[in-house]
Order: sequence, then structure tokens, then C-alpha cells
Amino acid sequence: AQSVTQPDIHITVSEGASLELRCNYSYGATPYLFWYVQSPGQGLQLLLKYFSGDTLVQGIKGFEAEFKRSQSSFNLRKPSVHWSDAAEYFCAVDDYKLSFGAGTTVTVRA
Amino acid sequence: EPEVTQTPSHQVTQMGQEVILRCVPISNHLYFYWYRQILGQKVEFLVSFYNNEISEKSEIFDDQFSVERPDGSNFTLKIRSTKLEDSAMYFCASSPGDTDTQYFGPGTRLTVL
Repeated sequence: AQSVTQPDIHITVSEGASLELRCNYSYGATPYLFWYVQSPGQGLQLLLKYFSGDTLVQGIKGFEAEFKRSQSSFNLRKPSVHWSDAAEYFCAVDDYKLSFGAGTTVTVRA
Repeated sequence: EPEVTQTPSHQVTQMGQEVILRCVPISNHLYFYWYRQILGQKVEFLVSFYNNEISEKSEIFDDQFSVERPDGSNFTLKIRSTKLEDSAMYFCASSPGDTDTQYFGPGTRLTVL
């Protein structure tokens, strides 16, 4: 069965610093991968997705993610974090339904 | 931009009562989903729905749960006899195709007392 692991439960980063969130997946075929963000009390907003093609995908809010099949990873990055990026981030794999990782909470300090 | 809507935003109920959570998916989407997130835990799949029938359901989705598309726009999740452990945020999602991007609603927070 498909699964997603997000090794980091909580990350604290300074405003303006770079951010990288890790995601590892387990899936038999070529995965469809997603990153969603959830701000406090809000729903899930799609940041970006990978279906096929270019392994570096660009998303909204300046985020990007790189699919690495050899490492079964789909890490999310942002070069310069803003205070509004404080949220919980979920990686997910699609197998006709989404299987989510446990999430990584990002705290941004001034 | 079209979006998924959910009502109510917060529902408080007594244990053993029936609740119906409502969702209006994006209008041209064909696949509909319910997920839930217990406080502090990961988002979990409950059920998917296509062509007026359940496509897939998780082991969480037992006989206490049912889904319905009563008209051309609404998609509902019913919990027949709520338990304390049903307290969670329930998210509705829709997608145009079965492996397309799923778009989520803002969620309904269900509190069972």
C-alpha cells in the first residue's frame, strides 16, 4: 500500500532564511505527489503537484519541490521564508485517494 | 475561482445523535471525497464517490457512515449515531478525474459531547 513519511514534525526557521521540508513516499508505480498547506483553522490549500515530466515543479507562494525517484523523495523548498508561511505542510500521494503524511509544522521567527 | 464549500463550519452534537455534513463540490467535477482529521493527527481518507456510488471506502467508514448526492450540487456525509471519537475536522474534496488534483473545502469541525 502507498504511504508517505514526513520525518520532521516541527521546523523553526528565521524569516528570510531558506526552508526545506522532507517527504518520502512508498508506492509501486510512478506516483502522483502533492504538497498541501494548512494554516491554523483553515482547510487544505494545494501548493504544487507532480504527475510526470520535469522533476522540479514550481508552485504557488514561491514554493518548489523536486521529485527524486532514486531516493523516493519529494522535498519541498522555499528560498526565503515569510512570516505568513507559518503553517502545517502535508505531503500526499494519490492512488485514487490521497494518503497523507503526518505533516510538518513550520514556525517562523522574526 | 471556483471552490468547494462546506456547511456548517462547526457542529456540536450529543453522543448518539445523527449529523449531516454538507458539501458543494466544484460544479464540473465528477469525483467527490470525504476525509477527516482528528486533532493532532494526519488527514485520513474516508470515502470516494463517483457516478452516484461509492468507489472506495476506508475501514473507518463503517455502517454508521453514509454519503449521498441528493441533487446535482450537494454531497453529504451522514453519521447515524455519533460517538465521542467522531470528533474531528471533516474535509470534503472534489476532482475532475480520478487521478486529478483534489480541491478541498474549508472543513467542518464536528464536536461530539
